[in-house]
Amino acid sequence: EVQLAESGGGLMQPGGSLRLSCEASGFTVNINYMSWVRQAPGKGLEWVSVIYSGGRTYYADSVKGRFTISRDNSKNTLYLQMNSLRAEDTAVYYCARDPDMDVWGQGTAVTVSS
Amino acid sequence: AIQMTQSPSSLSASVGDRVTITCRASQGIRTDLCWYQQRPGKAPKLLIYAASSLHSGVPSRFSGSGSGTDFTLTISSLQPEDFATYYCLQGYNHPRTFGQGTKVEIK
Repeated sequence: EVQLAESGGGLMQPGGSLRLSCEASGFTVNINYMSWVRQAPGKGLEWVSVIYSGGRTYYADSVKGRFTISRDNSKNTLYLQMNSLRAEDTAVYYCARDPDMDVWGQGTAVTVSS
Repeated sequence: AIQMTQSPSSLSASVGDRVTITCRASQGIRTDLCWYQQRPGKAPKLLIYAASSLHSGVPSRFSGSGSGTDFTLTISSLQPEDFATYYCLQGYNHPRTFGQGTKVEIK
């Protein structure tokens, strides 16, 4: 069965760092495009980042320079390294298989608050 | 960034109604558009890709149309499980952008 499972969320102070993980099963992350999408409490969906099969990456302006998307092929896992966290980064973070986002994880919640 | 404007932002409808949601792009995006359904507390689910292609396992009462800047998601006969929020997403370029969502509520 094709599945994604996120982990690594939690409560962080502003300025802190956090790494989210997204473990894939039933398919291989390195031959697919993979994206992160977030949803702030009570708000809509916001695309965050994508990594192409060839390794090229793109980011939303709101996270550029602070977040880094990567993958570990040996672990079949996607990551999102989040630095310099801000209150506005508070959201549920989803990973999804691209380019059509046909498979989603269940999400992991990140709260940035002092 | 391409702006995606959905309308309406919410609507009330009854079981059996025909429902239409529109999404307008601020510039042409060919047919690089997907539609998603999200129920409360759940991850989004893909309904339609490439503007009009039905994702595997999605009921045939869902359909999509459009190209360029104007797109439509239609539910031909609303079912109880269809009460949810719907989002469009452009895949034409980066940054990818979602519409703000349309909440479909029970009348």
